[in-house]
Amino acid sequence: GENVEQHPSTLSVQEGDSAVIKCTYSDSASNYFPWYKQELGKGPQLIIDIRSNVGEKKDQRIAVTLNKTAKHFSLHITETQPEDSAVYFCAAGDNFNKFYFGSGTKLNVKP
Amino acid sequence: ETGVTQTPRHLVMGMTNKKSLKCEQHLGHNAMYWYKQSAKKPLELMFVYSLEERVENNSVPSRFSPECPNSSHLFLHLHTLQPEDSALYLCASSQGLNSNQPQHFGDGTRLSIL
Repeated sequence: GENVEQHPSTLSVQEGDSAVIKCTYSDSASNYFPWYKQELGKGPQLIIDIRSNVGEKKDQRIAVTLNKTAKHFSLHITETQPEDSAVYFCAAGDNFNKFYFGSGTKLNVKP
Repeated sequence: ETGVTQTPRHLVMGMTNKKSLKCEQHLGHNAMYWYKQSAKKPLELMFVYSLEERVENNSVPSRFSPECPNSSHLFLHLHTLQPEDSALYLCASSQGLNSNQPQHFGDGTRLSIL
């Protein structure tokens, strides 16, 4: 089955700096890669996604890149703000919309 | 009205109790999911329903019993649970089971087994 690895498990940055979270996957059949943000006491919220026919996608301060050959994808957050502090999860989706999640990255943005 | 609503938000129960978790989605989706979220572990898929039919049972013990009476509602019936079942239980929905469909999550039920 699919195996998704996510790094780092914790990340601490100064407000205004950039943050990068990386994920790798094992199954070349995976074709959809969403990223979720989970705040304390809340469920995961979709923040951006990318499909396998696209290499990069950007939405304001958030961007995701995908390298299908190397089987890795990354989340980039620029100009970080304290409200970006949360746990971020990557996932890889297959043709039946089954998601395999990474173990999460706890991001702390220091003011 | 939030997209996916879960009740209760918190539940404490003894090992011999029977309780149910409820999920309701207001997004017009056809697929619904139950996940278990434990500390330091990836989300674990438990069950998948599509148009009220169960299409996935991910080796979940029989003490967890799902029910999907219609495409908007999903239940998880609990009985004779173990302490290791304490976790956050998340419900999600998606438009269907075709690929590239984002899953939308509720805020979960925090379950504690005494």
